[in-house]
Amino acid sequence: DAKTTQPPSMDCAEGRAANLPCNHSTISGNEYVYWYRQIHSQGPQYIIHGLKNNETNEMASLIITEDRKSSTLILPHATLRDTAVYYCIVRPDSGNTPLVFGKGTRLSVIA
Amino acid sequence: DAGVTQSPTHLIKTRGQQVTLRCSPKSGHDTVSWYQQALGQGPQFIFQYYEEEERQRGNFPDRFSGHQFPNYSSELNVNALLLGDSALYLCASSRITGKNTEAFFGQGTRLTVV
Repeated sequence: DAKTTQPPSMDCAEGRAANLPCNHSTISGNEYVYWYRQIHSQGPQYIIHGLKNNETNEMASLIITEDRKSSTLILPHATLRDTAVYYCIVRPDSGNTPLVFGKGTRLSVIA
Repeated sequence: DAGVTQSPTHLIKTRGQQVTLRCSPKSGHDTVSWYQQALGQGPQFIFQYYEEEERQRGNFPDRFSGHQFPNYSSELNVNALLLGDSALYLCASSRITGKNTEAFFGQGTRLTVV
């Protein structure tokens, strides 16, 4: 079973920041927080991951609370192409550990 | 870099038949994992291949089998197809060690069993 809890859906106005929350209260010390998204009928796309420090790349920012029990994925200027299901996954940083997907958050970006 | 490629993109099979799906991993990746995604659900882990051997397996019956070749590409085979096997089958590749071990997915194969 997935170790994360996410809201089932969210709306965001185009051009505004989209803040997607994730709870992972049982995260272990060696587990990272990964975010993937899946645009309709495509394969999941890796977005970002982090352990305890905040991370930023060209796609998004990841804010992890100090106790590591929750995190927020931030898309700074959402566009219509960001409409997708976003999955938050906790996983050790090892290439042989399978990803356990929950139901994710369906983000709708509205013009 | 072509990324992860899967073939075919769509497939229709009859109940009871067998199917083979193919995956070429991203350049530099040595591990291939397969996932099944039913409509409206998140992907579910089937199994993982590394060094041409099945290393881990999810809760799927023996009808699901696979293979990894020396060039790291992989096949997923499903025997005795059931209607419930209709799904999007996703291949993900990764590096088992090193700095960047995140998994990258292909676009999937949509299998319809009739």
